[in-house]
Amino acid sequence: DIVMTQSPDSLAVSLGERATINCRSSQSLLYSSNNMNYFAWYQQKPGQPPKVLIHWASTRESGVPDRFSGSGSGTDFTLTISSLQAEDVAVYYCQQYYSHPSTFGQGTRLEIK
Amino acid sequence: DVQVVESGGGSVQTGGSLRLSCEVSGFSFSNFWMSWVRQAPGKGLEWVANIKQDGSEKNYVDSVNGRFTISRDNARNSLYLQMNSLRAEDTAVYYCARAIRDSQYSPFDYWGQGSLVTVSS
Repeated sequence: DIVMTQSPDSLAVSLGERATINCRSSQSLLYSSNNMNYFAWYQQKPGQPPKVLIHWASTRESGVPDRFSGSGSGTDFTLTISSLQAEDVAVYYCQQYYSHPSTFGQGTRLEIK
Repeated sequence: DVQVVESGGGSVQTGGSLRLSCEVSGFSFSNFWMSWVRQAPGKGLEWVANIKQDGSEKNYVDSVNGRFTISRDNARNSLYLQMNSLRAEDTAVYYCARAIRDSQYSPFDYWGQGSLVTVSS
């Protein structure tokens, strides 16, 4: 199985500042035939199901604010929140859907400093 | 509006069985791969199983293979998870989730609120 490792486990950022979360996969998620990374980011707020923010590593899901962006390729990926808002407090998960079984990172808890 | 509603969770003894249901509305259920994803209390997400649009292909995570069975009824817009030989480590909130793309290799765009399964001795 592909292992997804996020860093850091938790993060405190001031309102309006940039937040950066990293995810590393144990093998490349780049599919050579279409040059796409089979990788997504989710946000989960307390008591709610996860919400997909980004897929194909950098494609923002419809309705997701443009302060959220995804980057990276192969085995190293980053989620950036350009200007943290209070409503961004949540746990963030990465996911690979390159191979079976799909696996998630352990989560990164984002709080306000 | 898309709605995804799970039901059937509850408390069961180790070795027991439970059947989860997921009823959807607001989209053409028969056009999408569907999955079950679980989350143990205070823990992360674990994909459990998925099923193709016509039910002809099913996949499971190793830890539930042979104990859980995923199925669907497109006429009823419903997804199911039959869980047998339950273990304490199966305790989790179980989410029903829709695949974004027409493939078993897909992220998930619509999720239910989840159904809690508690397994204890």
